[in-house]
Amino acid sequence: DAGITQSPRHKVTETGTPVTLRCHQTENHRYMYWYRQDPGHGLRLIHYSYGVKDTDKGEVSDGYSVSRSKTEDFLLTLESATSSQTSVYFCAISRSPSTEMGQIGNEKLFFGSGTQLSVL
Amino acid sequence: AQTVTQSQPEMSVQEAETVTLSCTYDTSENNYYLFWYKQPPSRQMILVIRQEAYKQQNATENRFSVNFQKAAKSFSLKISDSQLGDTAMYFCAFLNTDKLIFGTGTRLQVFP
Repeated sequence: DAGITQSPRHKVTETGTPVTLRCHQTENHRYMYWYRQDPGHGLRLIHYSYGVKDTDKGEVSDGYSVSRSKTEDFLLTLESATSSQTSVYFCAISRSPSTEMGQIGNEKLFFGSGTQLSVL
Repeated sequence: AQTVTQSQPEMSVQEAETVTLSCTYDTSENNYYLFWYKQPPSRQMILVIRQEAYKQQNATENRFSVNFQKAAKSFSLKISDSQLGDTAMYFCAFLNTDKLIFGTGTRLQVFP
């Protein structure tokens, strides 16, 4: 399995407090993603990164920010946590999802073990 | 924008039988990947099978196979000889350029 770790595994916090989740990889993969998983919604993309300092929004980015100052780390920050952000958060990595001709290969995605965040 | 639809929130099957999970997607792109992921209660995301859109041949991995209908934008998963360990959430996912989009999942229960 790919070297990808998320921390913390569990966190309980109070409404209004800042929270940072960390995704760390040892694979030197270019692409990193943050998802949240909620019943009835599957996994929804929050933000993703396609390189150091290169990030973009996903479908549920409001209330979240990200940073990627080096290849191996992708941080997800909730500036002021709300109860609606109680969820399981997953990080994923990929070498390159590009499907341009000549670059199609054995692309796979690798997931972290998830972070259970509870905002009270 | 791409979307992925899994219309079966829950499915059940008896051990040793065959079950098919459905997935449809919407895209205007021609090159992309499709995946089925399994998520057991441990929360781990496990890749079951993948399909490149440019390949006409349906992917197969042991007891798991797909029926990929590109024109219909359909990507169903067939599980043969179902086992108790197949009990899990199953997610269909679409990957194109930079974004990986998931369906809402199908909860599969395998009964003895």
